[in-house]
Amino acid sequence: ETGVTQSPTHLIKTRGQQVTLRCSSQSGHNTVSWYQQALGQGPQFIFQYYREEENGRGNFPPRFSGLQFPNYSSELNVNALELDDSALYLCASSPRGGHEQFFGPGTRLTVL
Amino acid sequence: QQQVKQSPQSLIVQKGGISIINCAYENTAFDYFPWYQQFPGKGPALLIAIRPDVSEKKEGRFTISFNKSAKQFSLHIMDSQPGDSATYFCAASPYGQNFVFGPGTRLSVLP
Repeated sequence: ETGVTQSPTHLIKTRGQQVTLRCSSQSGHNTVSWYQQALGQGPQFIFQYYREEENGRGNFPPRFSGLQFPNYSSELNVNALELDDSALYLCASSPRGGHEQFFGPGTRLTVL
Repeated sequence: QQQVKQSPQSLIVQKGGISIINCAYENTAFDYFPWYQQFPGKGPALLIAIRPDVSEKKEGRFTISFNKSAKQFSLHIMDSQPGDSATYFCAASPYGQNFVFGPGTRLSVLP
């Protein structure tokens, strides 16, 4: 059984640029959630996708957007990058109706 | 109301000792309370979780104690080992949806 995978591992962008992060969910899991973890803090919920539809959103601006594909993999897109977007971006998958969320290793984004 | 408070911010324990981390919440809609362990550069890993219909759950050296009336829950790590040195996060979830995480506790277990 393959766990949650994310790509890329690290990414460096400049202010104003756009970035796309990718996540493959654990086998059998159809729900994907994205979190932002700033250095020294707990993860903050961005949004969740189920059946290719957004199924809940945290307190993040519209320049944070996402997609889920028929194979349940997902993308997180961030437009007009700001310095404060520098963080570890985590993807978590869960089976529908299940409470557990299993996290990937994250993508470390640095905005210069 | 969505906040989860966690203490202490950091904790130093001798090998073989008991590590105790506490969390508190306000939102009564929360019905799932997991604990995650995170090593530097890694994603959080699920350790143990509890639902509000039980007051305690034990898995190996890890125990969650849950006090529904006080809206508090805690993680106890028995016989703490240097390999347990990591950051621990409590979280709470309403009906299996998005998790609200505490700010984390950095645990150091001295050999």
